[in-house]
Amino acid sequence: EPEVTQTPSHQVTQMGQEVILRCVPISNHLYFYWYRQILGQKVEFLVSFYNNEISEKSEIFDDQFSVERPDGSNFTLKIRSTKLEDSAMYFCASRITGIYGYTFGSGTRLTVV
Amino acid sequence: DAKTTQPNSMESNEEEPVHLPCNHSTISGTDYIHWYRQLPSQGPEYVIHGLTSNVNNRMASLAIAEDRKSSTLILHRATLRDAAVYYCILRANAGGTSYGKLTFGQGTILTVHP
Repeated sequence: EPEVTQTPSHQVTQMGQEVILRCVPISNHLYFYWYRQILGQKVEFLVSFYNNEISEKSEIFDDQFSVERPDGSNFTLKIRSTKLEDSAMYFCASRITGIYGYTFGSGTRLTVV
Repeated sequence: DAKTTQPNSMESNEEEPVHLPCNHSTISGTDYIHWYRQLPSQGPEYVIHGLTSNVNNRMASLAIAEDRKSSTLILHRATLRDAAVYYCILRANAGGTSYGKLTFGQGTILTVHP
């Protein structure tokens, strides 16, 4: 069964450093998403991406965050200057057009120290 | 986003059916009812979705009330691997071009006893 692949599975970074989280969505999917889950809390929407541009973003997704689909296969989330409160699991998801379900990746655990 | 209400937790015994309820009294006519689950230390996993009619797939069944104000996810024979947090989510389909973000609540923690 096709999968959404995320790398790395765990990243530790110093506060203030830039991090890039990588995702390879399912190849024929058209809509791409990033979600995050702080330990013990709900899964929160960050951003959706369609047709090479951001289609919707949450209040969490401020100027420190950016997304890119540089080569037609990878989908990346960049955090420019990490804060302690950015520590969370980050999930990438993708879906085909229509009302079908999403496929989520296994996540990247980001720890900011 | 229309809100859903689920019990915080439920318990079941292995190989017994499980009925996970969800109330969504403010659902709109174009909202689809989606169910996802999240196993420990994993990303959410799509389970099933429906609009008005009951739906079956290899994982579960979805029973939707006639007035669409509630639904029930049915696991026909629970296994230990079904222990997870189950989320009932309403997904809007706005004008046929839905960017379709999912809004997760707290979900129902399902415990399955051997």
